[in-house]
Amino acid sequence: NAGVTQTPKFQVLKTGQSMTLQCAQDMNHEYMSWYRQDPGMGLRLIHYSVGAGITDQGEVPNGYNVSRSTTEDFPLRLLSAAPSQTSVYFCASRERGTYNNEQFFGPGTRLTVL
Amino acid sequence: AQTVTQSQPEMSVQEAETVTLSCTYDTSESNYYLFWYKQPPSRQMILVIRQEAYKQQNATENRFSVNFQKAAKSFSLKISDSQLGDTAMYFCAFMIQGAQKLVFGQGTRLTINP
Repeated sequence: NAGVTQTPKFQVLKTGQSMTLQCAQDMNHEYMSWYRQDPGMGLRLIHYSVGAGITDQGEVPNGYNVSRSTTEDFPLRLLSAAPSQTSVYFCASRERGTYNNEQFFGPGTRLTVL
Repeated sequence: AQTVTQSQPEMSVQEAETVTLSCTYDTSESNYYLFWYKQPPSRQMILVIRQEAYKQQNATENRFSVNFQKAAKSFSLKISDSQLGDTAMYFCAFMIQGAQKLVFGQGTRLTINP
Protein backbone atom coordinates (compact mmCIF):
# COMPACT_ATOMS: atom_id res chain seq x y z
CA ASN A 1 0.00 0.00 0.00
CA ALA A 2 1.25 3.48 -0.88
CA GLY A 3 -0.96 4.99 1.87
CA VAL A 4 -1.82 8.65 1.31
CA THR A 5 -0.03 10.34 -1.57
CA GLN A 6 0.07 14.03 -2.45
CA THR A 7 1.29 15.86 -5.52
CA PRO A 8 3.11 18.09 -6.04
CA LYS A 9 5.56 18.24 -3.11
CA PHE A 10 6.42 21.87 -3.81
CA GLN A 11 4.67 24.60 -5.79
CA VAL A 12 5.19 28.31 -6.38
CA LEU A 13 2.27 30.36 -7.67
CA LYS A 14 1.70 33.98 -8.52
CA THR A 15 -1.18 35.85 -6.94
CA GLY A 16 -4.37 35.15 -8.85
CA GLN A 17 -3.28 31.86 -10.37
CA SER A 18 -5.29 28.72 -9.85
CA MET A 19 -4.14 25.20 -9.14
CA THR A 20 -5.22 21.85 -7.76
CA LEU A 21 -3.44 19.92 -5.04
CA GLN A 22 -3.90 16.21 -5.57
CA CYS A 23 -4.52 13.66 -2.84
CA ALA A 24 -5.09 9.94 -3.21
CA GLN A 25 -5.31 7.00 -0.82
CA ASP A 26 -5.33 3.28 -1.51
CA MET A 27 -6.63 2.09 1.86
CA ASN A 28 -10.34 2.33 0.95
CA HIS A 29 -10.85 4.93 3.67
CA GLU A 30 -14.19 6.73 3.64
CA TYR A 31 -13.04 9.80 5.52
CA MET A 32 -10.60 12.26 3.96
CA SER A 33 -9.49 15.73 5.03
CA TRP A 34 -7.33 18.68 4.06
CA TYR A 35 -5.33 20.62 6.64
CA ARG A 36 -3.00 23.55 6.37
CA GLN A 37 0.00 24.09 8.63
CA ASP A 38 1.22 27.57 9.43
CA PRO A 39 4.07 28.49 11.80
CA GLY A 40 2.98 28.69 15.42
CA MET A 41 -0.57 27.58 14.67
CA GLY A 42 -0.47 23.81 14.30
CA LEU A 43 -2.69 22.23 11.65
CA ARG A 44 -6.13 23.58 10.82
CA LEU A 45 -8.91 21.79 8.98
CA ILE A 46 -9.85 23.26 5.58
CA HIS A 47 -12.42 20.80 4.17
CA TYR A 48 -13.35 17.20 4.78
CA SER A 49 -15.35 14.39 3.23
CA VAL A 50 -17.10 11.41 4.79
CA GLY A 51 -17.60 9.60 1.49
CA ALA A 52 -17.84 9.98 -2.27
CA GLY A 53 -20.12 12.88 -3.14
CA ILE A 54 -20.16 14.29 0.43
CA THR A 55 -17.98 17.21 1.51
CA ASP A 56 -18.15 19.81 4.24
CA GLN A 57 -16.27 22.87 5.44
CA GLY A 58 -13.73 22.86 8.19
CA GLU A 59 -12.26 25.69 10.20
CA VAL A 60 -10.62 27.70 7.38
CA PRO A 61 -12.48 26.96 4.10
CA ASN A 62 -12.38 30.36 2.42
CA GLY A 63 -10.50 30.39 -0.89
CA TYR A 64 -10.60 26.61 -1.31
CA ASN A 65 -12.91 24.19 -3.10
CA VAL A 66 -13.11 20.42 -2.90
CA SER A 67 -15.02 17.60 -4.50
CA ARG A 68 -15.05 13.84 -3.94
CA SER A 69 -16.06 11.85 -6.98
CA THR A 70 -14.32 8.63 -5.92
CA THR A 71 -13.36 7.03 -2.61
CA GLU A 72 -9.67 7.25 -3.53
CA ASP A 73 -9.26 10.90 -4.56
CA PHE A 74 -9.86 14.18 -2.79
CA PRO A 75 -8.39 17.17 -4.68
CA LEU A 76 -8.12 20.65 -3.20
CA ARG A 77 -8.58 23.58 -5.58
CA LEU A 78 -7.32 27.10 -5.16
CA LEU A 79 -9.33 29.24 -7.57
CA SER A 80 -7.38 32.50 -7.19
CA ALA A 81 -4.27 32.11 -5.07
CA ALA A 82 -3.42 34.75 -2.47
CA PRO A 83 -0.21 35.25 -0.43
CA SER A 84 -2.22 34.31 2.70
CA GLN A 85 -2.51 30.80 1.25
CA THR A 86 1.24 30.28 1.49
CA SER A 87 1.40 27.23 3.75
CA VAL A 88 2.09 23.53 3.95
CA TYR A 89 -0.94 21.43 3.02
CA PHE A 90 -1.64 17.97 4.35
CA CYS A 91 -4.18 15.46 3.19
CA ALA A 92 -5.34 12.79 5.65
CA SER A 93 -7.62 9.79 5.61
CA ARG A 94 -9.09 7.32 8.07
CA GLU A 95 -11.52 4.46 8.21
CA ARG A 96 -15.09 5.13 9.14
CA GLY A 97 -16.04 4.06 12.63
CA THR A 98 -12.71 2.66 13.80
CA TYR A 99 -12.38 2.79 17.55
CA ASN A 100 -8.93 4.29 17.46
CA ASN A 101 -9.73 7.06 14.97
CA GLU A 102 -6.18 7.17 13.67
CA GLN A 103 -5.73 9.51 10.74
CA PHE A 104 -3.06 8.74 8.15
CA PHE A 105 -1.33 11.77 6.68
CA GLY A 106 0.25 12.34 3.30
CA PRO A 107 3.76 13.82 3.00
CA GLY A 108 2.48 17.37 2.49
CA THR A 109 2.69 20.03 -0.22
CA ARG A 110 4.63 23.22 0.40
CA LEU A 111 2.88 26.05 -1.44
CA THR A 112 4.29 29.55 -1.88
CA VAL A 113 2.16 32.32 -3.35
CA LEU A 114 4.10 35.37 -4.50
CA ALA B 1 -15.44 25.04 20.43
CA GLN B 2 -12.59 22.80 21.34
CA THR B 3 -9.12 24.22 21.88
CA VAL B 4 -5.75 22.62 22.49
CA THR B 5 -2.87 24.48 24.11
CA GLN B 6 0.79 23.55 24.18
CA SER B 7 2.55 26.05 26.41
CA GLN B 8 6.14 25.03 25.61
CA PRO B 9 7.17 26.31 22.15
CA GLU B 10 10.63 24.75 22.45
CA MET B 11 12.41 22.24 24.66
CA SER B 12 15.90 20.83 24.65
CA VAL B 13 17.34 17.88 26.59
CA GLN B 14 20.39 15.65 26.52
CA GLU B 15 20.29 12.23 24.98
CA ALA B 16 19.08 9.49 27.38
CA GLU B 17 17.25 11.98 29.58
CA THR B 18 13.52 11.93 30.21
CA VAL B 19 11.41 14.81 28.92
CA THR B 20 7.76 15.72 29.41
CA LEU B 21 5.74 17.77 26.95
CA SER B 22 2.62 19.51 28.23
CA CYS B 23 -0.80 19.78 26.64
CA THR B 24 -4.09 21.09 27.92
CA TYR B 25 -7.42 21.11 26.15
CA ASP B 26 -10.85 22.57 26.57
CA THR B 27 -14.08 20.78 25.72
CA SER B 28 -17.56 20.17 27.06
CA GLU B 29 -17.71 16.75 25.40
CA SER B 30 -17.30 13.57 27.43
CA ASN B 31 -16.37 11.13 24.65
CA TYR B 32 -13.24 12.01 22.75
CA TYR B 33 -9.75 10.94 21.77
CA LEU B 34 -6.38 12.53 22.36
CA PHE B 35 -3.27 12.06 20.25
CA TRP B 36 0.38 13.00 20.12
CA TYR B 37 1.86 13.37 16.64
CA LYS B 38 5.52 13.68 15.79
CA GLN B 39 6.70 15.73 12.83
CA PRO B 40 10.41 15.24 12.04
CA PRO B 41 12.25 17.46 9.54
CA SER B 42 10.91 15.23 6.75
CA ARG B 43 7.53 16.90 7.46
CA GLN B 44 5.71 13.57 7.72
CA MET B 45 3.07 13.44 10.48
CA ILE B 46 3.59 10.30 12.57
CA LEU B 47 1.19 9.11 15.26
CA VAL B 48 3.11 8.54 18.49
CA ILE B 49 0.40 7.59 20.94
CA ARG B 50 -3.37 7.84 21.43
CA GLN B 51 -5.69 7.88 24.44
CA GLU B 52 -9.40 7.23 24.63
CA ALA B 53 -11.08 9.53 27.14
CA TYR B 54 -13.20 6.72 28.58
CA LYS B 55 -10.09 4.76 29.57
CA GLN B 56 -8.62 5.60 32.95
CA GLN B 57 -5.38 3.76 32.26
CA ASN B 58 -2.67 5.90 30.70
CA ALA B 59 -1.51 4.77 27.27
CA THR B 60 2.07 3.62 26.74
CA GLU B 61 4.05 2.79 23.60
CA ASN B 62 7.57 1.63 24.34
CA ARG B 63 9.49 4.73 25.52
CA PHE B 64 6.44 6.98 25.15
CA SER B 65 3.75 7.33 27.77
CA VAL B 66 1.06 9.82 28.64
CA ASN B 67 -0.30 11.30 31.83
CA PHE B 68 -4.01 11.78 31.15
CA GLN B 69 -5.83 13.84 33.74
CA LYS B 70 -9.42 14.07 32.51
CA ALA B 71 -10.73 16.34 35.24
CA ALA B 72 -7.87 18.76 34.75
CA LYS B 73 -8.09 18.39 30.96
CA SER B 74 -4.41 17.69 30.76
CA PHE B 75 -2.59 15.27 28.46
CA SER B 76 1.19 15.29 28.78
CA LEU B 77 3.66 13.15 26.86
CA LYS B 78 6.68 11.59 28.56
CA ILE B 79 9.61 10.39 26.49
CA SER B 80 12.00 8.15 28.41
CA ASP B 81 15.60 7.44 27.43
CA SER B 82 15.40 10.10 24.73
CA GLN B 83 17.21 9.45 21.47
CA LEU B 84 18.58 11.72 18.75
CA GLY B 85 15.82 10.46 16.45
CA ASP B 86 13.23 11.92 18.80
CA THR B 87 14.20 15.40 17.62
CA ALA B 88 11.05 16.74 16.00
CA MET B 89 8.03 18.95 16.34
CA TYR B 90 5.38 17.36 18.57
CA PHE B 91 1.70 18.15 18.27
CA CYS B 92 -1.05 17.37 20.72
CA ALA B 93 -4.44 16.80 19.04
CA PHE B 94 -8.04 16.24 20.08
CA MET B 95 -11.00 14.66 18.32
CA ILE B 96 -14.59 14.19 19.43
CA GLN B 97 -15.74 10.60 19.10
CA GLY B 98 -17.46 10.07 15.75
CA ALA B 99 -16.28 13.39 14.36
CA GLN B 100 -13.83 13.99 11.57
CA LYS B 101 -12.02 17.09 12.75
CA LEU B 102 -8.68 16.89 14.53
CA VAL B 103 -7.94 20.00 16.59
CA PHE B 104 -4.22 20.58 16.98
CA GLY B 105 -2.14 22.49 19.47
CA GLN B 106 0.55 24.91 18.37
CA GLY B 107 3.32 22.36 18.68
CA THR B 108 6.48 21.95 20.77
CA ARG B 109 9.83 21.81 19.03
CA LEU B 110 11.92 19.19 20.85
CA THR B 111 15.68 18.94 20.36
CA ILE B 112 17.67 16.02 21.70
CA ASN B 113 21.34 16.93 22.10
CA PRO B 114 24.16 14.36 21.94
